[in-house]
Amino acid sequence: GEDVEQSLFLSVREGDSSVINCTYTDSSSTYLYWYKQEPGAGLQLLTYIFSNMDMKQDQRLTVLLNKKDKHLSLRIADTQTGDSAIYFCAESKSNAGNMLTFGGGTRLMVKP
Amino acid sequence: DAGVIQSPRHEVTEMGQEVTLRCKPISGHDYLFWYRQTMMRGLELLIYFNNNVPIDDSGMPEDRFSAKMPNASFSTLKIQPSEPRDSAVYFCASSPPTGGPDTQYFGPGTRLTVL
Repeated sequence: GEDVEQSLFLSVREGDSSVINCTYTDSSSTYLYWYKQEPGAGLQLLTYIFSNMDMKQDQRLTVLLNKKDKHLSLRIADTQTGDSAIYFCAESKSNAGNMLTFGGGTRLMVKP
Repeated sequence: DAGVIQSPRHEVTEMGQEVTLRCKPISGHDYLFWYRQTMMRGLELLIYFNNNVPIDDSGMPEDRFSAKMPNASFSTLKIQPSEPRDSAVYFCASSPPTGGPDTQYFGPGTRLTVL
């Protein structure tokens, strides 16, 4: 199967860390991605990780990949109110012509 | 680069009318994707093109939907006749030639309301 699954909702307090989780089923995925969608806007790429890596850090963002469990997570350190958005994980495969399979999105709410 | 450009940003129409959504991909990108987003169904891939050729249209809901890409810088998604259940946000995205991460760049979307 090609399902990508995420929890629907996450609420955190400003300054705390947020962890958004994603599971996927296709072990042939070559890259995995995190996109952010702010209200009224399109999806914006946040970061991606190649499938032979297990971690990638980019400023406040840390991506962890557990290929054995087909589990991807996005950690946002020192979460700010501006981080409130919907976060989508996505996977791509080497023979799928740039096609991505997206999860349903996790709505992150950051309370002041 | 201006990014992916979509027009109109908002469209309100009556049931039965024809609706045409437009997209200009990022220059040099040879993949173009049309998505639909609703609360109920989330983000759905409708169709995608490579070098102006439709590759996979299995996500197109029914014959009322059609998409064209007459050249590398323009694509349309047409709904004829439109129905209230077609109300959604329609996104266009483009992607550079394969050879690295298959990053897709999304436009701002067209919010369609069919009354």
